[in-house]
Amino acid sequence: DAGVIQSPRHEVTEMGQEVTLRCKPISGHDYLFWYRQTMMRGLELLIYFNNNVPIDDSGMPEDRFSAKMPNASFSTLKIQPSEPRDSAVYFCASADPMRPHNEQFFGPGTRLTVL
Amino acid sequence: GEDVEQSLFLSVREGDSSVINCTYTDSSSTYLYWYKQEPGAGLQLLTYIFSNMDMKQDQRLTVLLNKKDKHLSLRIADTQTGDSAIYFCASNDMRFGAGTRLTVKP
Repeated sequence: DAGVIQSPRHEVTEMGQEVTLRCKPISGHDYLFWYRQTMMRGLELLIYFNNNVPIDDSGMPEDRFSAKMPNASFSTLKIQPSEPRDSAVYFCASADPMRPHNEQFFGPGTRLTVL
Repeated sequence: GEDVEQSLFLSVREGDSSVINCTYTDSSSTYLYWYKQEPGAGLQLLTYIFSNMDMKQDQRLTVLLNKKDKHLSLRIADTQTGDSAIYFCASNDMRFGAGTRLTVKP
């Protein structure tokens, strides 16, 4: 397996534009997580899905953020409209709850810059 | 309050031991984890400890768990410049600490 795949790796956009980040989890993993990482706040859990269903979205900052998982192999995180304070690295991770110690596998991240 | 807490920065000299500390709130956690993030990359599992253990050693790494105080620590012996990274503590309910940035000075 290629691991968790994220696209794009880098995104530069202007304030007010819509941004869509994409993630393909490892095949067979039932859990999918979206995280945001900044220097000031560290790593923050935004939302996670189990079997394509959102379980906990309490970390989503505000209504400008939305996440979907239309099938087991694809998820999106959308920001509309984007703001400079959304600049961060966004990670997607997946996990297989049947593994003995519930390890999460992380993608390489998408570095988002909002000008 | 946060589920998992750790300090954000630690600086040590090459050859010294590093100790990264973490506190957590999920008392039902079966496993507790340490992840490592190297510059420009995602997180990778470094080590984990089962909740019925007090200590786990793996080469230069020692994990100590105090369940009563809900305190987890990671000790890196003979710290090398290649150990410079961000280290994340995580509990079994899939919550991560904010990460401790370890800087190793030559």
